[in-house]
Amino acid sequence: AQSVTQLDSHVSVSEGTPVLLRCNYSSSYSPSLFWYVQHPNKGLQLLLKYTSAATLVKGINGFEAEFKKSETSFHLTKPSAHMSDAAEYFCVVSEGSSNTGKLIFGQGTTLQVKP
Amino acid sequence: EAGVTQSPTHLIKTRGQQATLRCSPISGHTSVYWYQQALGLGLQFLLWYDEGEERNRGNFPPRFSGRQFPNYSSELNVNALELEDSALYLCASSSNIGLTDTQYFGPGTRLTVL
Repeated sequence: AQSVTQLDSHVSVSEGTPVLLRCNYSSSYSPSLFWYVQHPNKGLQLLLKYTSAATLVKGINGFEAEFKKSETSFHLTKPSAHMSDAAEYFCVVSEGSSNTGKLIFGQGTTLQVKP
Repeated sequence: EAGVTQSPTHLIKTRGQQATLRCSPISGHTSVYWYQQALGLGLQFLLWYDEGEERNRGNFPPRFSGRQFPNYSSELNVNALELEDSALYLCASSSNIGLTDTQYFGPGTRLTVL
């Protein structure tokens, strides 16, 4: 069965410092992996997607994630945090959701950015 | 290009009533998905519709149902509302060209059951 674990429920950084949000996954297949962001009282916005084309995936707003099969990890990073990055971030795995329609979400990591 | 839209933004109902939530997918997308985001329970898959048919459903009781119309828009109906149905309901859509599984989400409908 597919699963995803976000290792930190809350991360706090200062503006201008690097961001690291950690995610481990479990999959029987070669998975599709995603990071979504949810700002307060908003829907989910796709940050980036991994589909085996390249292990380092670049997303929007300066975010990127690296797929490491040996560590079953898909951590999200950004070199320099902005105040506008404060939001909840979800790591998501899809086991061929083209067949099941189902995305499996981590529990989310709340990113706080301090001035 | 317009994204996924949902209506209403907020919905307040009392226990035992029925709620109807609506979703319009991105133009050209044929699949619509529904998710529930309840406090403390995270995001859970509810339903998947494609080409007018229900393709899969999550672990929810039958009082959660829906349909997809010929224009690919969708309704989610929740009957006999219970207090624990209070949640943000998110709709997503995707294109089935190339069997992509990327889902694009709408802003959600906040359902409050009193």
